[in-house]
Amino acid sequence: AQSVTQLDSQVPVFEEAPVELRCNYSSSVSVYLFWYVQYPNQGLQLLLKYLSGSTLVESINGFEAEFNKSQTSFHLRKPSVHISDTAEYFCAVSPHIQGAQKLVFGQGTRLTINP
Amino acid sequence: DTGVSQDPRHKITKRGQNVTFRCDPISEHNRLYWYRQTLGQGPEFLTYFQNEAQLEKSRLLSDRFSAERPKGSFSTLEIQRTEQGDSAMYLCASSTRDTYGYTFGSGTRLTVV
Repeated sequence: AQSVTQLDSQVPVFEEAPVELRCNYSSSVSVYLFWYVQYPNQGLQLLLKYLSGSTLVESINGFEAEFNKSQTSFHLRKPSVHISDTAEYFCAVSPHIQGAQKLVFGQGTRLTINP
Repeated sequence: DTGVSQDPRHKITKRGQNVTFRCDPISEHNRLYWYRQTLGQGPEFLTYFQNEAQLEKSRLLSDRFSAERPKGSFSTLEIQRTEQGDSAMYLCASSTRDTYGYTFGSGTRLTVV
């Protein structure tokens, strides 16, 4: 079985400051890793994913995440945040097995950007 | 591609009533998933379909819950004899077999009073 822990339930930062949202996972098999973003009253949108290859993955809006196998982590970072980044962020894993690409989600981190 | 559509967006029902939600996936996606998200939590897997076949169900899906995807296109999720603990956001997502990372709909928020 897999589990995901997002270490911070809320992260307040000032606009244009850097941010890191932490994610650790546990799994007995190899996993794919994902970050989703959820804006108020909306569904989840895929922000970025790690499947294989380079351990550093980037999104189109300036976020990046690095897969660290030894620390079983997939932290999300952005060097300079904007008001529009205010949202809830979910880390998720999916095991490398045939069948359903089931996602196991963390509890979420609410990112609040203050002007 | 109009994305994944869910209907209704909001549903308020009295305890003990039955409710049904609908999900229309992206047309070329053969996999369809249902998740449930309670306040302050991440989504939890309920069930998934490949085409019209329901291939996996979570233990969270009690016998009051049933899901169908009759022609491999849209899906319905029915909850019978609703309880207050069923209050949650019900999310539908779809994908193809070879893609990782779903496309989610906006969800149906159920409130049982």
